[in-house]
Amino acid sequence: NAGVTQTPKFQVLKTGQSMTLQCAQDMNHEYMSWYRQDPGMGLRLIHYSVGAGITDQGEVPNGYNVSRSTTEDFPLRLLSAAPSQTSVYFCASSYSTGGYNSPLHFGNGTRLTVT
Amino acid sequence: AQSVTQLDSQVPVFEEAPVELRCNYSSSVSVYLFWYVQYPNQGLQLLLKYLSGSTLVKGINGFEAEFNKSQTSFHLRKPSVHISDTAEYFCAVTPGSNYKLTFGKGTLLTVNP
Repeated sequence: NAGVTQTPKFQVLKTGQSMTLQCAQDMNHEYMSWYRQDPGMGLRLIHYSVGAGITDQGEVPNGYNVSRSTTEDFPLRLLSAAPSQTSVYFCASSYSTGGYNSPLHFGNGTRLTVT
Repeated sequence: AQSVTQLDSQVPVFEEAPVELRCNYSSSVSVYLFWYVQYPNQGLQLLLKYLSGSTLVKGINGFEAEFNKSQTSFHLRKPSVHISDTAEYFCAVTPGSNYKLTFGKGTLLTVNP
């Protein structure tokens, strides 16, 4: 099993450009989520999905869009990149939404720089 | 809502020394507690979790943590660290669901020879 796969690993954007961060999992997990990790801030939830066709906002959703057309894929779209979106982005999935019995599996991250 | 405080942002130790990484939390409801580890240039992986029962929980790689309800703490310990334990460690809590999981800001453990 590949687990959670994120592409690309690195990306540099200019302010105002758009792009999509890809996330795919092969574990048939219902729950998928996107976090951003900034120095000294820990991880903050951007968006999450509890199943195909269902998405919701997390703590810091502004400037990002998501969709979940299949169980396997959960892309994150930056509509108009800003320097404040420079960060490391992690996709995470779990079998169910229940954190007590379904720990998160993380991808290796996408390091995004916006100039 | 709940919050998590990791009291040390960096902890340097020598190889084979014991280590304790401190985590305190606040919540108005019962929570489940976790420690995740992030090795350089990788995603996070689960180290251990406390759901209920015995307050001392054991995880992978020789780590253990003790839940103290009265002090609202969940400190992580290892009696003898290795160079390979160098990583960032995150404490996290949730009242139930993964979308309500709150992470601490992380503690960078550096093990020196």
